[in-house]
Amino acid sequence: DIQMTQSPASLSASLGETVTIECRASEDIYNGLAWYQQKPGKSPQLLIYNANSLHTGVPSRFSGSGSGTQYSLKINSLQSEDVASYFCQQYYDYNTFGAGTKLELK
Amino acid sequence: EVQLVETGGGLVQPGRSLKLSCVASGFTFNNYWMSWTRQAPGKGLEWVASITNSGGSTYYPDSVKGRFTISRDNAQNTLYLQMNSLRSEDTATYYCTRDHYGGYEDYWGQGVMVTVSS
Repeated sequence: DIQMTQSPASLSASLGETVTIECRASEDIYNGLAWYQQKPGKSPQLLIYNANSLHTGVPSRFSGSGSGTQYSLKINSLQSEDVASYFCQQYYDYNTFGAGTKLELK
Repeated sequence: EVQLVETGGGLVQPGRSLKLSCVASGFTFNNYWMSWTRQAPGKGLEWVASITNSGGSTYYPDSVKGRFTISRDNAQNTLYLQMNSLRSEDTATYYCTRDHYGGYEDYWGQGVMVTVSS
């Protein structure tokens, strides 16, 4: 089974700041990676798929990058509505999610 | 607008069964794989089951294989999850998701809570 190690577990940042969250796969997942945002009390929402493709309606301040086993989600110019938990998912070999990153405002 | 509405959750004793349903609308249901993903209280996400658009193939992680069965009725635009031999560790919110051909989940339902406890 492919394991996903996500970091950091929690993050505190200021409005307008740039934030980066990372995921490392236990083996090459060939860009089969998605990122999800989950606001408190809500269901997860797709942000990024295929490592770097923005889902319909997602603001352009979100971007994804990476290859092989290392991937990252970047949020430019942090907004208050970005306070949420973020999860990565590999779907190269079945499905495995990272443990999540809780993003708060400083 | 894509909508996925789950029903059937509740409190159930260990060892008993429960069946979840998910009614889909806003897209051509029989064109898409579908999945169930769960989230234990305060925890992360765990994939539970997937089914191809025709229903001809199903996939499960080891944690539920042999106990859970995913199925679909394309005429009724409905996805199901039959859960047998439930355990306390199955306690979670269960989400119905539209699956991009066995890949990422591009739409999620609002979730339904399942609590396994005596």
